[in-house]
Amino acid sequence: KQEVTQIPAALSVPEGENLVLNCSFTDSAIYNLQWFRQDPGKGLTSLLLIQSSQREQTSGRLNASLDKSSGRSTLYIAASQPGDSATYLCAVQAAGNKLTFGGGTRVLVKP
Amino acid sequence: DTEVTQTPKHLVMGMTNKKSLKCEQHMGHRAMYWYKQKAKKPPELMFVYSYEKLSINESVPSRFSPECPNSSLLNLHLHALQPEDSALYLCASSQERGSSYSNQPQHFGDGTRLSIL
Repeated sequence: KQEVTQIPAALSVPEGENLVLNCSFTDSAIYNLQWFRQDPGKGLTSLLLIQSSQREQTSGRLNASLDKSSGRSTLYIAASQPGDSATYLCAVQAAGNKLTFGGGTRVLVKP
Repeated sequence: DTEVTQTPKHLVMGMTNKKSLKCEQHMGHRAMYWYKQKAKKPPELMFVYSYEKLSINESVPSRFSPECPNSSLLNLHLHALQPEDSALYLCASSQERGSSYSNQPQHFGDGTRLSIL
């Protein structure tokens, strides 16, 4: 059974610092890994999707890496802003169109 | 604003009521999903529909009954719910290419916050 873990569970940084969020998974037989953002009381916003054959994806200040063999992904957010405060979730997609989510990292960026 | 629309945004119901949650998308996606999310927990998959047919049921109790009347709509019918069913219910959709699910991100609605009295 696939298990996804995110460390740390919560993170607080001053504005301008870079954020590093970690995600690990136990079964490397995945199709892709996705990073989502969730604001309180809202749905999930897709940030990046990394295919199993890729090593990284970039979008603006966001960069996500994937090391499938070691079961790890890292999301980097450069020059953090207060608007980046949210919960960040990683999810792996395996056979059958099923996403398995990690527990999330709650991020607070202080002005 | 999201491209997946869920109604209602909030719902309070008694344990003997019957209600329905609705989800709509007009992105041409042929896969649609229901998730349940408890406070400070990640979403948990409930059901997957592929081309309007139920493809995954994650052993969800029968008091939850999904329905996909057409490619744009997904309903979740609720009956005789328990207080522990109180949660945020999220709908999502994604593209498909035949049997290949592989690299299509899922798009989520803002959810329906359900409270069972």
